[in-house]
Amino acid sequence: RKEVEQDPGPFNVPEGATVAFNCTYSNSASQSFFWYRQDCRKEPKLLMSVYSSGNEDGRFTAQLNRASQYISLLIRDSKLSDSATYLCVVNAYSGNTPLVFGKGTRLSVIA
Amino acid sequence: EAGVTQFPSHSVIEKGQTVTLRCDPISGHDNLYWYRRVMGKEIKFLLHFVKESKQDESGMPNNRFLAERTGGTYSTLKVQPAELEDSGVYFCASSQFREGYNEQFFGPGTRLTVL
Repeated sequence: RKEVEQDPGPFNVPEGATVAFNCTYSNSASQSFFWYRQDCRKEPKLLMSVYSSGNEDGRFTAQLNRASQYISLLIRDSKLSDSATYLCVVNAYSGNTPLVFGKGTRLSVIA
Repeated sequence: EAGVTQFPSHSVIEKGQTVTLRCDPISGHDNLYWYRRVMGKEIKFLLHFVKESKQDESGMPNNRFLAERTGGTYSTLKVQPAELEDSGVYFCASSQFREGYNEQFFGPGTRLTVL
């Protein structure tokens, strides 16, 4: 079983749509959770951290369910510029340990 | 402030040759990580330096891979001899070393193709 599993997509949505991505992780001892964004042939960049209480950053909302070991990302009012691959990422132990990545979910927002 | 830089951006070599990748972390970042993404797979951890010391090299695939970080500044990752399955994108990331979560900043990657 993969440590972090995501639906690879692609998700093709029209501008203005709301889209949700889900992710599950296998290590119950995981400490920190993130969504990274990766544009084609570029490096991953941190989009947002994910907290148990849920957190929002503009059009983006992230949720964590530790009991189910499940992480989600909701994008509202999709823009063309949101087209990218969204990586679910987990940090297993302390803040200085390596990141564990999912394969990513590809999003294409269409005009 | 300069970000993480990597050199070269692309490398095409033949099986059996040697390649050395270089990473310059953000100044002041003691943590330096190497990751790799092979086609169709997720990004996977290779190894972690804290300053010049190897903290964790559990992700290194085999002894054809050698990483160094002399003086705790830049790092090199040498593949010798390269095999076809070594093709992929090699990312370097750096972060500050302190308690709590420290955001890892990624370099643009080196795309390695072994023919």
